[in-house]
Amino acid sequence: DVKVTQSSRYLVKRTGEKVFLECVQDMDHENMFWYRQDPGLGLRLIYFSYDVKMKEKGDIPEGYSVSREKKERFSLILESASTNQTSMYLCASVGNYGYTFGSGTRLTVV
Amino acid sequence: AQSVSQHNHHVILSEAASLELGCNYSYGGTVNLFWYVQYPGQHLQLLLKYFSGDPLVKGIKGFEAEFIKSKFSFNLRKPSVQWSDTAEYFCAVNVNTGGFKTIFGAGTRLFVKA
Repeated sequence: DVKVTQSSRYLVKRTGEKVFLECVQDMDHENMFWYRQDPGLGLRLIYFSYDVKMKEKGDIPEGYSVSREKKERFSLILESASTNQTSMYLCASVGNYGYTFGSGTRLTVV
Repeated sequence: AQSVSQHNHHVILSEAASLELGCNYSYGGTVNLFWYVQYPGQHLQLLLKYFSGDPLVKGIKGFEAEFIKSKFSFNLRKPSVQWSDTAEYFCAVNVNTGGFKTIFGAGTRLFVKA
């Protein structure tokens, strides 16, 4: 059974902290994505990566960065967390037949 | 710019009622189309997909969707909903603009009354 694993289900961080969200897939996929999910706004793409060390900005990259040092791992970094980054963060790995999503990380910034 | 519109943000139905969730996209080229479902407390999962061929696509749990190219639509249907269908449903469109890009709709929350 294919799997996308996000390291934390819930996180609470303080404003200004640097936050790392980790995502690991075991499907040998090249394409991986980070989305945030907010009520009424659906899924919005933050960054995606199509190969190791390759990354592209999505629709809302401001305040975020990413790292893809190994094919199976795609990390999302909040350089200095702010309250408007409180959200559900979803990682996805994409193969020929669509997306496989992780279970999500609900981040609260206080 | 490409976009995906889901017409209803919230839908409330009684059990056994028929369901149709609208999805329209704005893109003139070749598309691949998806519906995803997110049950309460669970992660997003694929419900069904359309790549080519028969425009009427059948998915899991009795869901189906019809691709109508002339209307740029990919509406999701189920003849008789169950309480367990309570979830949020996302339409997604994969467009080829020289690179890989998938656009999600804002989602429709379905509540089925027992």
